[in-house]
Amino acid sequence: QVQLVQSGAEVKKPGASMKVTCKTSGYNFYSYAIHWVRQAPGQGLEWMGWINAGNGNTKYSQKYQDRVTITRNTSATTAYLELSSLRSEDTAVYFCASGSAPTGGYSDYWGQGTLITVSS
Amino acid sequence: DIQMTQSPSILSASVGDRVTITCRASQSISVWLAWYQQKPGKAPKLLIYKASNLESGVPSRFSGSGSGTEFSLTITGLQPDDFATYYCQQYNGRAYTFGQGTKLEIK
Repeated sequence: QVQLVQSGAEVKKPGASMKVTCKTSGYNFYSYAIHWVRQAPGQGLEWMGWINAGNGNTKYSQKYQDRVTITRNTSATTAYLELSSLRSEDTAVYFCASGSAPTGGYSDYWGQGTLITVSS
Repeated sequence: DIQMTQSPSILSASVGDRVTITCRASQSISVWLAWYQQKPGKAPKLLIYKASNLESGVPSRFSGSGSGTEFSLTITGLQPDDFATYYCQQYNGRAYTFGQGTKLEIK
């Protein structure tokens, strides 16, 4: 079955960077995108970007364009989200999700979420 | 970016009711709209894609409709498991955006 398993919760200092891992299995990783979505405490869902797992092309939300990097390791069928210059407002649960197409699409399978807490 | 506006923000209903949630896009997105259900502490779950297509395994009491800028999610015969928060998302164009969510509460 399709699975997306994310790395564990972390606490980060303001100004630091974070990297969340999304290990996939059970489907053809190369044929679909991986999305990253975040959710601040008590708030709604916010799309951050996607990566075409086949060719590595990316698309980012303009809001995060300067701070976010999404990469993938095809041999490990794993995607990564990096966010730099963290501030308290970046405290959130970060989700990865498989896309329905190589270039985005809707999100059909989701990881369990990773809580990142930014605090001094 | 395309803005998505959901209404209502909170909806109170009873088991067995028929409810409708509306999602409006700031510009036409054709049929590139999905609906998700989220329960506290859990990842979202895909319900509907391409405006009206029911995801495999999702009960038939869920249905979606619309195109262009106006969309709706209808649940016919609410079940206790349906009380959750619902989000629409457009996936047309450069940036994808979610609606702000509709919390479906037990009346």
